[in-house]
Amino acid sequence: ELKVEQNPLFLSMQEGKNYTIYCNYSTTSDRLYWYRQDPGKSLESLFVLLSNGAVKQEGRLMASLDTKARLSTLHITAAVHDLSATYFCAVDPGTYKYIFGTGTRLKVLA
Amino acid sequence: IAGITQAPTSQILAAGRRMTLRCTQDMRHNAMYWYRQDLGLGLRLIHYSNTAGTTGKGEVPDGYSVSRANTDDFPLTLASAVPSQTSVYFCASSEGPGLPQHFGDGTRLSIL
Repeated sequence: ELKVEQNPLFLSMQEGKNYTIYCNYSTTSDRLYWYRQDPGKSLESLFVLLSNGAVKQEGRLMASLDTKARLSTLHITAAVHDLSATYFCAVDPGTYKYIFGTGTRLKVLA
Repeated sequence: IAGITQAPTSQILAAGRRMTLRCTQDMRHNAMYWYRQDLGLGLRLIHYSNTAGTTGKGEVPDGYSVSRANTDDFPLTLASAVPSQTSVYFCASSEGPGLPQHFGDGTRLSIL
């Protein structure tokens, strides 16, 4: 059974600080996605990682994928309040049966 | 604006009643999905369809059914609602493998 674990589940950080969210998964896959969800809203796509060593960056967020370690990271650089949201990783095992992590609720304090 | 439309936005339903959640997309995506989101559990896949006329079971399919008569519509039916089906339901679509999913705004469903 494919499992996707994120940590931490909750993260409170000061503006200007750096931090990393981790996403571990339990089966072979080279397709991993990161999404953002604001409270009471839908999910929006942030990054699509499709191969070992893939790295994508958008603004203060950078995502990477290590398929051998079955690990993806979402790194936040110099956090700002607008990044406060819940972040989900999702793994596609190639069968359309996507598995989402439980999410990391990020709060950036001014 | 292209995207996914879900209806209703929210609903309160008596246990035992039948309910259909509607989902329509105008992006001509082949794949569509239904998820439920519960606090502390993230999103869990209920059913999916990789193309019109074909559906498959996800992680939590019991108590739910879907149909995919055409590319655009993917309704989710609760035949006899139970309180444990209280959740927020999201419909999503994607062009295919390796491409991100686009999500609707969700339906908040409460079963009493």
